[in-house]
Amino acid sequence: QPVLTQPPSVSGAPGRRVTISCTGRSSNIGAGYDVNWYQQLPGTAPKLIISGTSNRPSGVPDRFSGSKSGTSASLAITGLQAEDEADYYCQSYDSSLSGYVFGTGTKVTVL
Amino acid sequence: QVQLQESGPGLVKPSETLSLTCTVSGGSISPYYWSWIRQPPGGGLQYIGDIYYSGNTNYNPSLKSRVSMSVDTSKNQFSLKLNSVTAADTAVYYCVRVGSGGLFDSWGQGTLVTVSS
Repeated sequence: QPVLTQPPSVSGAPGRRVTISCTGRSSNIGAGYDVNWYQQLPGTAPKLIISGTSNRPSGVPDRFSGSKSGTSASLAITGLQAEDEADYYCQSYDSSLSGYVFGTGTKVTVL
Repeated sequence: QVQLQESGPGLVKPSETLSLTCTVSGGSISPYYWSWIRQPPGGGLQYIGDIYYSGNTNYNPSLKSRVSMSVDTSKNQFSLKLNSVTAADTAVYYCVRVGSGGLFDSWGQGTLVTVSS
């Protein structure tokens, strides 16, 4: 049973908005731990794009935004661009495991 | 900007020990936590564990019995050992810096380790 669950894939036309959900538990997101999001382009290492649930590191376009409610978090990409086609992972801390956990990953396809 | 580089054998035999080293450049290994994360081919990310520059460690419970990590501050390096490996341990292994708040803010390029006889 994955600790953080994401949809396997989402897709959208250029310029549209897509959202990726990250469903957790009371021992991680629901306990108030921050959620971070990573973008992984093909053949490369993951890159941090959202920290502390909703903060964008320097250089990350403002098309990316994050939010959290209850035991779930979401990543939204507005004005979808071809370069956004990648895998996206959420990440948090889990108190029952006493360690960090990743989501199952979501592939974003730009139609 | 800190840079991380993994090094070690790309092929390990079943039942043997996987050993990797991460060299940190462009910054000091202290006062940070450093982590190992792996990704099997076509799969998702798995946290293996982390180590503080002082040597305190925290391991993923699912791997704890087979994992050990160490740090050498004089060389600005930290290391991973995973024993009794099987084909299920075949993955790209990343060394990563753990930033404030428990985020992974700097990643190595990753190294593919294949477990096969």
